Amino acid sequence: DAKTTQPNSMESNEEEPVHLPCNHSTISGTDYIHWYRQLPSQGPEYVIHGLTSNVNNRMASLAIAEDRKSSTLILHRATLRDAAVYYCILSIRDNDMRFGAGTRLTVKP
Amino acid sequence: GAVVSQHPSWVICKSGTSVKIECRSLDFQATTMFWYRQFPKQSLMLMATSNEGSKATYEQGVEKDKFLINHASLTLSTLTVTSAHPEDSSFYICSATRDRSYEQYFGPGTRLTVT
Repeated sequence: DAKTTQPNSMESNEEEPVHLPCNHSTISGTDYIHWYRQLPSQGPEYVIHGLTSNVNNRMASLAIAEDRKSSTLILHRATLRDAAVYYCILSIRDNDMRFGAGTRLTVKP
Repeated sequence: GAVVSQHPSWVICKSGTSVKIECRSLDFQATTMFWYRQFPKQSLMLMATSNEGSKATYEQGVEKDKFLINHASLTLSTLTVTSAHPEDSSFYICSATRDRSYEQYFGPGTRLTVT
């Protein structure tokens, strides 16, 4: 499985945008880029996914580099409820996901 | 829609006993269900993948005789930890997928403590 690299932790101020980076230099042409987040003592929650084009939904935006070797999850206005561990995952088949260490996002009021 | 439940949410058992954890897709039929384990301050580790009516596929290093998975219907999968030991104490999380969806829908997790 292709690997992803994310910063261990990031901090943000409430109401400000957050850009969470993910490097995946060994991504293959059929890998989808998925983002999930996990709040403390809960199961992960789907955030967004994409293949080549940038994607937007009500939770976030996903910006994918032209060469697909990196991507950025964008939270447009961070709230305290967005504090979580964010996982960037590559999946050849949409059903097979391996979680890396993720980025722990802290949101300061 | 697409809700996955787990039961129990937490359980404490004595060393040597067996514990069964249920995972249910409440409002959809799950083509595939997954079981993960998560130790404190670590990431999720995939244990096994199961499809309804067939044997589960276990990840390397996961003992299939210790972690019994039964996927009897399109809405229910069970994980039984047999002869549990303190090192099996962990947060167990299931997830499910459905046809034509790229999402995995995760349950809330079950915290197992073996004393």
